[in-house]
Amino acid sequence: EAGVAQSPRYKIIEKRQSVAFWCNPISGHATLYWYQQILGQGPKLLIQFQNNGVVDDSQLPKDRFSAERLKGVDSTLKIQPAKLEDSAVYLCASSLYGEQFFGPGTRLTVL
Amino acid sequence: KQEVTQIPAALSVPEGENLVLNCSFTDSAIYNLQWFRQDPGKGLTSLLLIQSSQREQTSGRLNASLDKSSGRSTLYIAASQPGDSATYLCAVTGNAGNMLTFGGGTRLMVKP
Repeated sequence: EAGVAQSPRYKIIEKRQSVAFWCNPISGHATLYWYQQILGQGPKLLIQFQNNGVVDDSQLPKDRFSAERLKGVDSTLKIQPAKLEDSAVYLCASSLYGEQFFGPGTRLTVL
Repeated sequence: KQEVTQIPAALSVPEGENLVLNCSFTDSAIYNLQWFRQDPGKGLTSLLLIQSSQREQTSGRLNASLDKSSGRSTLYIAASQPGDSATYLCAVTGNAGNMLTFGGGTRLMVKP
């Protein structure tokens, strides 16, 4: 069974630029999550999807972050414009019966 | 608001030692608790999942216990090996949904 796929693995941008991350969950997993993990901290949930609907986006900075899951499968997370404090690893996870499985993450560096 | 704390933040032990990692959470109304391993530059690997009705789970040299009433979980690693060196994260899912709240992790170094 293939795991959660994410791309790109690494991204370096300058502040005020925009960036997008892609996630392909495990086949059949209805729930998809995006987490932000700042160096030295545990991951923090940004947004949770159930199929193509948003379940929880209370911790998503909506002035600059957006996410979509149009067909209930793949998802994209966008940051526009990026700030220095957005430097982090962005993790995507999916779940079927409560247990979450994580992708390798995208490491974003904002200069 | 659920808060998860892991102690210690870092741990260094010689190979072969048995060790215990601690996790505490403030709201005992949880659905389940997961322990993850994270290697540098990598994503999270699920190690053990304990449902709220369970007291412990075992996988190989790993044993995780859950005491919901006191808001605590421990991860026991037997006969530690250098390959166990990683960051170990504890996370809980609240009854309201599937959102995971993570602790800050314990960075483990096992020296040969």
